[in-house]
Amino acid sequence: KNQVEQSPQSLIILEGKNCTLQCNYTVSPFSNLRWYKQDTGRGPVSLTIMTFSENTKSNGRYTATLDADTKQSSLHITASQLSDSASYICVVSADTNAGKSTFGDGTTLTVKP
Amino acid sequence: DTAVSQTPKYLVTQMGNDKSIKCEQNLGHDTMYWYKQDSKKFLKIMFSYNNKELIINETVPNRFSPKSPDKAHLNLHINSLELGDSAVYFCASSQDNREIYEQYFGPGTRLTVT
Repeated sequence: KNQVEQSPQSLIILEGKNCTLQCNYTVSPFSNLRWYKQDTGRGPVSLTIMTFSENTKSNGRYTATLDADTKQSSLHITASQLSDSASYICVVSADTNAGKSTFGDGTTLTVKP
Repeated sequence: DTAVSQTPKYLVTQMGNDKSIKCEQNLGHDTMYWYKQDSKKFLKIMFSYNNKELIINETVPNRFSPKSPDKAHLNLHINSLELGDSAVYFCASSQDNREIYEQYFGPGTRLTVT
């Protein structure tokens, strides 16, 4: 069964600090992995999309890494800001039926001043 | 300009009623989706349409019926609403139904069934 597990479930950090969120998956065969940011009361917004051949991708202060061998991904946030407070969702797609993505249950990040 | 819009944003209704949620995208995308996000914040896909044709229909009660009058619109009609239907429903769209393309989500419709 395809699964995506994220850790930690929640995280509190001080403004300006860095943090790393983890995503482990068992989805096979692998197509791509995405990280989304979801602000409270809003829809998810895509941060990065990585395919099998990519092992790192950046979007501003967000850097995602992918190890397809160990089936792990991480999202690193540098110099956190209050606006980074949100849920971060890892989504992994299998190279089979289109639209069949497996969603993680997210990590809730709180950045405090 | 809003890329993916949903109406209404909030919907409060009683058990047994029938209600509809509308979604429109102005991105020129071929594929649209409906997701349900429950109180635990877990997102689950419900339906996917590509060029007005249903391509994904997850295990969803048949009280839920999507309709796509054209590829820019995907509406969700729910019959005989139940307490367990309370959730946030998100519409999304992508260029086509290949997974490599980014999905753009709407702002969500918070449905509360009393």
